[in-house]
Amino acid sequence: QSALTQPASVSGSPGQSITISCTGTSSDVGGRNFVSWYQHHPGKAPKLMIYAVTNRPSGVPDRFSGSKSGNTASLTISGLQAEDEADYYCSSYTHSDTKIFGGGTKLTVL
Amino acid sequence: QVQLQESGPGLVKPSETLSLTCTVSGGSVNNNFWSWIRQPAGKGLEWIGRVYYTGSTNYNPSLNSRVTMSVDTSTNQFSLNLRSVTAADTAVYYCAREPPHWGGSDYWGQGALVTVSS
Repeated sequence: QSALTQPASVSGSPGQSITISCTGTSSDVGGRNFVSWYQHHPGKAPKLMIYAVTNRPSGVPDRFSGSKSGNTASLTISGLQAEDEADYYCSSYTHSDTKIFGGGTKLTVL
Repeated sequence: QVQLQESGPGLVKPSETLSLTCTVSGGSVNNNFWSWIRQPAGKGLEWIGRVYYTGSTNYNPSLNSRVTMSVDTSTNQFSLNLRSVTAADTAVYYCAREPPHWGGSDYWGQGALVTVSS
């Protein structure tokens, strides 16, 4: 199974909105509704931001939202803040009940 | 508040078996999936596999022949064994909880660095 495709980096200014894409296939992103997004600050444990494509765990600000169209899922962060600067990873379960991650996207807040 | 803590040797010799245990506190292992994820230095996250509280498992196909996971409901722990390790298995290993029907892990351990070297 191949990794999901994410842009290596994205950037935005405080207050702006950014979107990170995550492209897979009909065997994973397109065929399952188990896409998740993680925020990862170096040296810390990853933090779940979105699960099951669009759901936010308790405590995650509503500035973070998830969506999916076809084989591509997206994470949108609105009202960008300095503390949002981190690595972001998408993941999806496949039709074989195995999980794959994207390569990660480094978000820089300018 | 659920907490997870990885434990095990930080140094493993090539060709030997990497063994890690994750202890769950503040909650029960019952009714959840329990996952292992790793991150080599400078690289992305890699899913190793998961074990349901009943003992049912799913493994990454690329590691399937070397991995065994198990769960012990009496001690509230789950474990990872990775056989025949090489330097490529050097990574920070995380354990994590995944509620059913979420597809994502909501609680994570702090991570344990395991180095494979003679």
